[in-house]
Amino acid sequence: DADVTQTPRNRITKTGKRIMLECSQTKGHDRMYWYRQDPGLGLRLIYYSFDVKDINKGEISDGYSVSRQAQAKFSLSLESAIPNQTALYFCATSRTGSGGTDTQYFGPGTRLTVL
Amino acid sequence: EDQVTQSPEALRLQEGESSSLNCSYTVSGLRGLFWYRQDPGKGPEFLFTLYSAGEEKEKERLKATLTKKESFLHITAPKPEDSATYLCAVQGVGTGRRALTFGSGTRLQVQP
Repeated sequence: DADVTQTPRNRITKTGKRIMLECSQTKGHDRMYWYRQDPGLGLRLIYYSFDVKDINKGEISDGYSVSRQAQAKFSLSLESAIPNQTALYFCATSRTGSGGTDTQYFGPGTRLTVL
Repeated sequence: EDQVTQSPEALRLQEGESSSLNCSYTVSGLRGLFWYRQDPGKGPEFLFTLYSAGEEKEKERLKATLTKKESFLHITAPKPEDSATYLCAVQGVGTGRRALTFGSGTRLQVQP
């Protein structure tokens, strides 16, 4: 079984709809992240969480919200989806390491299309 | 603000033709530089972490090197299965900057 899972893997929705993307991990990591990937722009950070009570905005958090339900679960919500939120969304996890450097491990991604 | 620039954007090689991918970075205090491989429609797969200038790491046909301003991913005698997008990312110092800043990647195609 995959260490980091994302559901759904593909989603098509309409403008204005609320949608939730979910991420679960069995790696036992304390840190979790949400990124979006657009062609030519690379991966950009939306939100990150260092533990259940520590949630931080990334560089492109507008229009998104998150919930860290447990150490192993981190969900991303689009309250009112718009077409420019069409992208690939990735969840990642990492473990607090000595010296502060921690390698991130990514899930398989969710392809979201907003019509 | 941390910045990462990767070049070239795309690279086409013949099987066995060695080459290098470049990652130039700007960061005020480097905690780590990371290389990932990404296949189409999949999540990035971790390859290497480099921490300080002069460090090198190898894995099969890949070798990553690091200077104070850039990193190179050297691919020796590539095979078609090495075709993928290779991503570079940096992590800067400071509690609020533990997240990674990614470059836009280099798409590598290795032809048989």
